[in-house]
Amino acid sequence: AQSVTQLDSHVSVSEGTPVLLRCNYSSSYSPSLFWYVQHPNKGLQLLLKYTSAATLVKGINGFEAEFKKSETSFHLTKPSAHMSDAAEYFCVVTPSGGYQKVTFGTGTKLQVIP
Amino acid sequence: NAGVTQTPKFRILKIGQSMTLQCTQDMNHNYMYWYRQDPGMGLKLIYYSVGAGITDKGEVPNGYNVSRSTTEDFPLRLELAAPSQTSVYFCASRTAETQYFGPGTRLLVL
Repeated sequence: AQSVTQLDSHVSVSEGTPVLLRCNYSSSYSPSLFWYVQHPNKGLQLLLKYTSAATLVKGINGFEAEFKKSETSFHLTKPSAHMSDAAEYFCVVTPSGGYQKVTFGTGTKLQVIP
Repeated sequence: NAGVTQTPKFRILKIGQSMTLQCTQDMNHNYMYWYRQDPGMGLKLIYYSVGAGITDKGEVPNGYNVSRSTTEDFPLRLELAAPSQTSVYFCASRTAETQYFGPGTRLLVL
């Protein structure tokens, strides 16, 4: 069994300040973890992925995430928020190599205040 | 490559009508998926396919049907539309490590 919990449904930051979007997971298997971003009325775009290689993963647009097995977390961070980062972010877990069982978090809406 | 394409982009249906949401990918991926996304919710898996001729139910399959006659196409069929099926529908295909999503179909059932 697996599940993913995004701890905040909404996060608001000022432009230029750090971003932290939290994700906790549970999985009976060795997991692969992903972060996707969805801008309004758009499809989902892959930001970054962890697939059992380096635990600190760098993605597009300056985002990164760290896989912490002991804490079962995969939090998304960015040092300095930009207005274009305003969107909804989804944390996703699958078993490594298990293509059927894809579980999405409920999403975190990021608001960036000028 | 076009990636994953979906048609139509938007549709209004009356209760009891039927329709097919089209999904095509040109990346030769074996795995394909249909999700629905309701406001304030994550994506819920409706059906998936591991290759041509093979499909299986996901988390919320009731009221939907799928077929997979070719690697490229994975249509989703609604037989008797209900207001509860008002949602945004996303099709996806994947490689070993990454899912690729289509732009979505917004469906309104009135």
